[in-house]
Amino acid sequence: DTGVSQNPRHKITKRGQNVTFRCDPISEHNRLYWYRQTLGQGPEFLTYFQNEAQLEKSRLLSDRFSAERPKGSFSTLEIQRTEQGDSAMYLCASSLGSHGPPLDTQYFGPGTRLTVL
Amino acid sequence: GQNIDQPTEMTATEGAIVQINCTYQTSGFNGLFWYQQHAGEAPTFLSYNVLDGLEEKGRFSSFLSRSKGYSYLLLKELQMKDSASYLCAVRDNAGNNRKLIWGLGTSLAVNP
Repeated sequence: DTGVSQNPRHKITKRGQNVTFRCDPISEHNRLYWYRQTLGQGPEFLTYFQNEAQLEKSRLLSDRFSAERPKGSFSTLEIQRTEQGDSAMYLCASSLGSHGPPLDTQYFGPGTRLTVL
Repeated sequence: GQNIDQPTEMTATEGAIVQINCTYQTSGFNGLFWYQQHAGEAPTFLSYNVLDGLEEKGRFSSFLSRSKGYSYLLLKELQMKDSASYLCAVRDNAGNNRKLIWGLGTSLAVNP
């Protein structure tokens, strides 16, 4: 399977703990996106990488959230001092960036469902 | 501001045709996407429009009118497995912005 993969698929943690999620994009894709989605809502943009460079970070994202893509391949999203409001599905998507929009279609991984108790 | 509107819920009958509308107001425009999302799963890409007109892909078609800020997704010969949320997303081309602006999704229930 050469799609986007995410680990873990589910994470239950206690408030105040740190959690880290991993995303492996489609191998030739140079763009990688993190989103958060809660029930009944569309995906909410968190951050975006082109290769290893983090080009944009949502202003809604607090300092407790950090993301890395050290070698321009897989990415990690860390949430420090988790709060109950962080409970959501965290989605990763990748795209083959180019000047042409059709090639920039985002393909999503299965997501990591976070529950903060 | 940036805004995308879709109906919250729709119901249709197996074998019928349903049209899901999406209107958008964005500072720029560089393409509109439709995604399907089954409960508890990630969104999957359905269609893309950047020029006015109709794009057809099997049972699914998507239409765009840029002057009206309007798109629709047309689903024909509905099947039970089409019960899902349908998300409209617009790419704004302002600056280096590459993120998509998402609607809240339309939850479609297909009844026998």
